[in-house]
Amino acid sequence: DGGITQSPKYLFRKEGQNVTLSCEQNLNHDAMYWYRQDPGQGLRLIYYSQIVNDFQKGDIAEGYSVSREKKESFPLTVTSAQKNPTAFYLCASRGTGGFNQPQHFGDGTRLSIL
Amino acid sequence: AQSVSQHNHHVILSEAASLELGCNYSYGGTVNLFWYVQYPGQHLQLLLKYFSGDPLVKGIKGFEAEFIKSKFSFNLRKPSVQWSDTAEYFCAVNNMNRDDKIIFGKGTRLHILP
Repeated sequence: DGGITQSPKYLFRKEGQNVTLSCEQNLNHDAMYWYRQDPGQGLRLIYYSQIVNDFQKGDIAEGYSVSREKKESFPLTVTSAQKNPTAFYLCASRGTGGFNQPQHFGDGTRLSIL
Repeated sequence: AQSVSQHNHHVILSEAASLELGCNYSYGGTVNLFWYVQYPGQHLQLLLKYFSGDPLVKGIKGFEAEFIKSKFSFNLRKPSVQWSDTAEYFCAVNNMNRDDKIIFGKGTRLHILP
């Protein structure tokens, strides 16, 4: 089945450690996104990528980094510079065909600090 | 700054009551508008979308939304809610004059009493 796979489902980070969240899609979508979901805050855009080897900062990019070396993969690294990383992270993708296309979401990764 | 506002953070209704969830956005140009739903323990899924044409859009599970351009609004409605509608609802906007950036509101948590 086509879809978006996020791994791991749960992740724990020690203070001062970088961690990488995986997002893979087999939908052949060009655009991919990372959101952070906190209670009462909705989804806030961290980074997005419209095409391979290109990405843009979202509204809360500080303390995060991404890469887009392959069309199907858009990993997110939460660096030690992110002071409040505990959250639920959602990856999404969107196909070609215009801006009216909806996003498809993964099941998310919950990151906690030890 | 571009933003999406959902006025109701938490709504509690009895079964068979009518529902209207507010959504306003701050973009001045042409937009695509979406409502997503997140049922407990499930990933985000699309309820409905608007990109052009009839401003009254019908979605899945009896939901509809009306785009009122003069009010920058895209309110979600359902004439008679069911217990199974208990979920969190997110409004999202894509400014077609820009790029693939999609901004979400903070969400409305809907709780239906049986």
